[in-house]
Amino acid sequence: ETGVTQTPRHLVMGMTNKKSLKCEQHLGHNAMYWYKQSAKKPLELMFVYSLEERVENNSVPSRFSPECPNSSHLFLHLHTLQPEDSALYLCASSQDLVDSYGYTFGSGTRLTVV
Amino acid sequence: AQSVTQLDSQVPVFEEAPVELRCNYSSSVSVYLFWYVQYPNQGLQLLLKYLSGSTLVKGINGFEAEFNKSQTSFHLRKPSVHISDTAEYFCAVSDKGGSEKLVFGKGTKLTVNP
Repeated sequence: ETGVTQTPRHLVMGMTNKKSLKCEQHLGHNAMYWYKQSAKKPLELMFVYSLEERVENNSVPSRFSPECPNSSHLFLHLHTLQPEDSALYLCASSQDLVDSYGYTFGSGTRLTVV
Repeated sequence: AQSVTQLDSQVPVFEEAPVELRCNYSSSVSVYLFWYVQYPNQGLQLLLKYLSGSTLVKGINGFEAEFNKSQTSFHLRKPSVHISDTAEYFCAVSDKGGSEKLVFGKGTKLTVNP
C-alpha cells in the first residue's frame, strides 16, 4: 500500500469512449500530480494541483481533462483519445509543491486505446 | 531551471556484482536530490534522498548514493546486486526553497542476470 491509490489498474477504451481515471490519497498532502509514462520516453508531467487549484498544465491536449474536487482526490477525464495516448498514467502527491520528502506515487493505470 | 541527465539508459550486470547508476544535474541554486525505483507495472518508489549534511546517503534495499557538489553528480551504488533489483531507476532534483517541482531524468533500466 503506497498511500496513493489509483483505479482502475488497467483500462482498455475505444477512441470514441469517455472514461475517467481516479487517484486518491489520505496522506494529508496538499499537492497532486498527473504524469504520463510512455514506452522509451521520459516521464511527462501533465498537470499539477496545489490546494485543489490547477497550477500547471503542460500543453496537454484538451481530450485530457483533470478535476480535483478536494485535496484527497484527483481525476483525469478522457474522451476521444488516440492510440498514441496509450501509456501508464501515474498519479503522485506531495506535502507541498516544494517538498523535501519527495513525491508518493500510485501504482498507475495502464491505458490502452484501441 | 534544473535538469537531470542519466548517462546510461540500460545497465546489464551479473548477480552479486557491484553496480553504479550515474546521475548528473544542473541547477543555479541548492537542490534536493532523489532516486526512485520502478518495478514492472508499478509506480515509482522512493529509494533515497539527499537534503543536506552528509554527502553519502543510504537508502532501502542496500542502495546508497553520494552527492558531489563540485561534479554536480548524485550517483547510485550497490556493492552486490540481486535478481530482484531488476527495475528502472530514476534520478530527480528539486530546487531548495523555491517553487520548482521535481524534475526527473529519463531513467536507467538495470537488468541483473544470473
